[in-house]
Amino acid sequence: EDQVTQSPEALRLQEGESSSLNCSYTVSGLRGLFWYRQDPGKGPEFLFTLYSAGEEKEKERLKATLTKKESFLHITAPKPEDSATYLCAVQAISNFGNEKLTFGTGTRLTIIP
Amino acid sequence: DTAVSQTPKYLVTQMGNDKSIKCEQNLGHDTMYWYKQDSKKFLKIMFSYNNKELIINETVPNRFSPKSPDKAHLNLHINSLELGDSAVYFCASSQDYRAARQYFGPGTRLTVT
Repeated sequence: EDQVTQSPEALRLQEGESSSLNCSYTVSGLRGLFWYRQDPGKGPEFLFTLYSAGEEKEKERLKATLTKKESFLHITAPKPEDSATYLCAVQAISNFGNEKLTFGTGTRLTIIP
Repeated sequence: DTAVSQTPKYLVTQMGNDKSIKCEQNLGHDTMYWYKQDSKKFLKIMFSYNNKELIINETVPNRFSPKSPDKAHLNLHINSLELGDSAVYFCASSQDYRAARQYFGPGTRLTVT
């Protein structure tokens, strides 16, 4: 069965303190790896898709990278507005033979001013 | 304009009752999903419809019955509600069945007492 594990579960950083979030996965036939951001009381919001090892994507203070077994979400000089739960998901085949997303449990990031 | 909308936002009901949650998307997407997010923030897919046809049906009790009257709407009916059904239910949509970038609704918080 596909598994996605995110670490740490929670992370508190001072404003401007860079760090990385980890997403490790075991899946048969990875089609894509997704990062989403979820604010309290809201639905997840798409950030990035990565398809192959070595691929990198950037958006403002966030950069996502992918290897054959894990993905990292690097956050550089974060601001309080970056506080949210960051979810990782893998795109794989469901029991119906169609593609589905399997999510990790997320990393709750808090940036302290 | 809201891309993916759900009603109601909150639902409080007693065990044994039957309730429905409605979802609509105005993105012109072919595929819609229902997810359940538990108290630990774990987001798990329940169902998916592509052009009104069921394409994903994960291990979900028969008390849950999705219905898609057209490709812009996906409703979720739950019979004989149980305490364990308490969670946040998210509707999502994607352009097609390949489960690529998904757009999530704001969620419906269901509390069963």
